[in-house]
Amino acid sequence: GEDVEQSLFLSVREGDSSVINCTYTDSSSTYLYWYKQEPGAGLQLLTYIFSNMDMKQDQRLTVLLNKKDKHLSLRIADTQTGDSAIYFCAEKASGGSYIPTFGRGTSLIVHP
Amino acid sequence: NAGVTQTPKFRVLKTGQSMTLLCAQDMNHEYMYWYRQDPGMGLRLIHYSVGEGTTAKGEVPDGYNVSRLKKQNFLLGLESAAPSQTSVYFCASSSGPLRAETQYFGPGTRLLVL
Repeated sequence: GEDVEQSLFLSVREGDSSVINCTYTDSSSTYLYWYKQEPGAGLQLLTYIFSNMDMKQDQRLTVLLNKKDKHLSLRIADTQTGDSAIYFCAEKASGGSYIPTFGRGTSLIVHP
Repeated sequence: NAGVTQTPKFRVLKTGQSMTLLCAQDMNHEYMYWYRQDPGMGLRLIHYSVGEGTTAKGEVPDGYNVSRLKKQNFLLGLESAAPSQTSVYFCASSSGPLRAETQYFGPGTRLLVL
């Protein structure tokens, strides 16, 4: 079955880089997503990566995909207090399913 | 273009009471979803719909019913609320089943059942 795992908390200092990690079990995953949830709000898509890519960069965000280890990471450069939020990893597998599987979310705390 | 909206934003119920949560989207999306979010549990899918007039069960459907009478609306009903249904409920929509289609989420409804 499908399973997506994330660590629950990450604390970083303002200005440092943050790396949020995610592992998944379904080897047929075709799309992997990162969503951001700010306090009191719904989820917003940050970025996504196709399974045939190893890396995707978008301004301060870098997504790395290691298909062999089924490991996905999100790196935020120059982390700011406004980046404090819960970050969700999600994956969609091939085989006809259109319902993504979400991880439990990683709470990123940025302190001065 | 408001995206996905949810009504109400917050509600307190007594055990046994009923209520309906309304989700509306103005993006002409075919697919709509209801999730609940509990601390440490992430998002769990309750019910979803792949088009007007269709509904299907998700991971945790017990105690909930849904209806999709109009394409733009997806209603979540609690017939007899229980304290275990205290949660934050999120509605989402997407344009189709393709792998790249992302979900758009509403702001959430916070429900407290006493």
